[in-house]
Amino acid sequence: DQQVKQNSPSLSVQEGRISILNCDYTNSMFDYFLWYKKYPAEGPTFLISISSIKDKNEDGRFTVFLNKSAKHLSLHIVPSQPGDSAVYFCAAPKEYGNKLVFGAGTILRVKS
Amino acid sequence: GAGVSQSPRYKVAKRGQDVALRCDPISGHVSLFWYQQALGQGPEFLTYFQNEAQLDKSGLPSDRFFAERPEGSVSTLKIQRTQQEDSAVYLCASSTGTGWGLNTDTQYFGPGTRLTVL
Repeated sequence: DQQVKQNSPSLSVQEGRISILNCDYTNSMFDYFLWYKKYPAEGPTFLISISSIKDKNEDGRFTVFLNKSAKHLSLHIVPSQPGDSAVYFCAAPKEYGNKLVFGAGTILRVKS
Repeated sequence: GAGVSQSPRYKVAKRGQDVALRCDPISGHVSLFWYQQALGQGPEFLTYFQNEAQLDKSGLPSDRFFAERPEGSVSTLKIQRTQQEDSAVYLCASSTGTGWGLNTDTQYFGPGTRLTVL
């Protein structure tokens, strides 16, 4: 039962353009979402989060949008930079203890 | 450094061997999580500690997996009689949160231990 889904395994974007990474969820109890970024041979690093009381959260070049009715969120990176090339995971905390439920990840490649 | 550290970074085991993976969380962090990440997948929850108490072990795949955090700081994940399907990256994360209610404290991850079972 995959409660968080990232249906695009990979995305390739030209430097300077916008990258849009998508995430869908099925558990209507989720009310907080996070994006993590992961470089090879490193652990995931927290990037940005959003609470369900908001529909947008912005931090520099990164903006996360939440559409609760569609159970969909997206991460926008603009402008994209080669250093943004990494795997991006969408996640939500679940139940007591706030263990994270992750999507399968999207590999972003930013070409210079 | 001040981050989460894990050792060893890489471990190769023969099928049937026991392995022990260590996690040093950020000092003072109450919550500690173990996740398993298979190739091409996102991390999957294994177990959760609040200080020394193991409050959730619902993600442990079998009774061959055992975790402890006896003094509420360092944690060890032990896998007995390893099988090929245990091959994965094992990630440890810690946070300041107590886990009561929805806690938005960030989980900080270590670099992981890549386990390969031959």
